[in-house]
Order: sequence, then structure tokens, then C-alpha cells
Amino acid sequence: NAGVMQNPRHLVRRRGQEARLRCSPMKGHSHVYWYRQLPEEGLKFMVYLQKENIIDESGMPKERFSAEFPKEGPSILRIQQVVRGDSAAYFCASSRDSMRETQYFGPGTRLLVL
Amino acid sequence: AQSVSQHNHHVILSEAASLELGCNYSYGGTVNLFWYVQYPGQHLQLLLKYFSGDPLVKGIKGFEAEFIKSKFSFNLRKPSVQWSDTAEYFCATREGGKLIFGQGTELSVKP
Repeated sequence: NAGVMQNPRHLVRRRGQEARLRCSPMKGHSHVYWYRQLPEEGLKFMVYLQKENIIDESGMPKERFSAEFPKEGPSILRIQQVVRGDSAAYFCASSRDSMRETQYFGPGTRLLVL
Repeated sequence: AQSVSQHNHHVILSEAASLELGCNYSYGGTVNLFWYVQYPGQHLQLLLKYFSGDPLVKGIKGFEAEFIKSKFSFNLRKPSVQWSDTAEYFCATREGGKLIFGQGTELSVKP
């Protein structure tokens, strides 16, 4: 019974490159959430997606960040033209639906921007 | 917007000591409250949750939390900690579909 899978676990990018983070939800889960944990800070919500739909992107930076959850395949968080301030741990969570359902978290992707 | 605050950033205890981690939330309506734990190098795991009903909630690994509406609090407790409880603990509430986390409390248990 696989949990939430994220890859890669560690990602190193130089400033200006693109970062793609992948999240495969638990089996039977159609809701995906992305959170970011900056150094010395708690987790901050970024975006909530259902299959092919963005439900809430109120926590996403306005520029360079995008997310998708296609009908087939994993959810992708994409960061274009990365900067040092993007260095953080990015966690994905999934749930069966949004209300009264537990969110199960993946192991995270640690992004380091040089 | 809702918010969650955790009073202690770092707590150090000896094994067998009792634990209480503070958590306060801002919203006065119906709340969903959670405690998650993150062991070193691992992902977040749910310890316990409160939606309604009995305000004393039992979780895994001997943890419990008490919802006190008048104090806007949801403190986490454990009568006797073990070295293996060393981890970071996050209190959270839900707003719509998203979780709003506190800053986290790092617990170090000395053997």
C-alpha cells in the first residue's frame, strides 16, 4: 500500500534553471496539495489541485511557479528561473476529498539553488 | 484568514518526563484541528485530529490533545516521553481544503 511518492528527493539547480517536482498521490486519492517549508519556518500552503483543476492557488507566488495535476500521471510543481530564495523543502500531500479527510504527506523534495 | 501559533520553538526533556506542547488557533467558528509529527529525515505523519465531539482526543504512540474552545487551544500531551519521540511537532487547522500550520516545535528527548 504505497504512500505519497515524491521525486526527486533532492534536487540541485543553479540560479536561472528550471525545477520540476513530481508527486504521485496515494491510490484512490484525487486531491493533491503542495506545501513549502523554508529554513526555520513552518509549512506554508501553496496550491490545491484536483485532477485537471486548480482549486486554490492562494499560496503560490505570482511569478515563476506553476502546478498541474493532469488526468494521467503525477502532479508537477514547476519553478522557472529559480533563485536562491527558492531553496526549501517542498511537500506534497494527498487526500480522497477535501473535507473531513486526512491529508497524507510525501517525503518531500529538498531543493537547493546554488 | 485563520492562523495557528505554537508557543515553544524548542523543548528539551529527559526520558519519562511529561510533555505538553501549546497550540492556539485564531478562528472562532467550527474548527478542524490536527497534530502532525516529523521524525528526523521522514515525512509528516498524523498524530491525531479533532473535528467535533469529545474534546479529549487520543492519538497514536500515546499522545493526546485537548480542545478547549474558550481558550482557542489544542495542546498536545504525553505523560511520559521516550527518546524516540525526538521530532518536530506541528499543530494545524484547516481552512477550506488547505492546512494552516504553526511554526513547529522541535522536541529533543535526552536518554
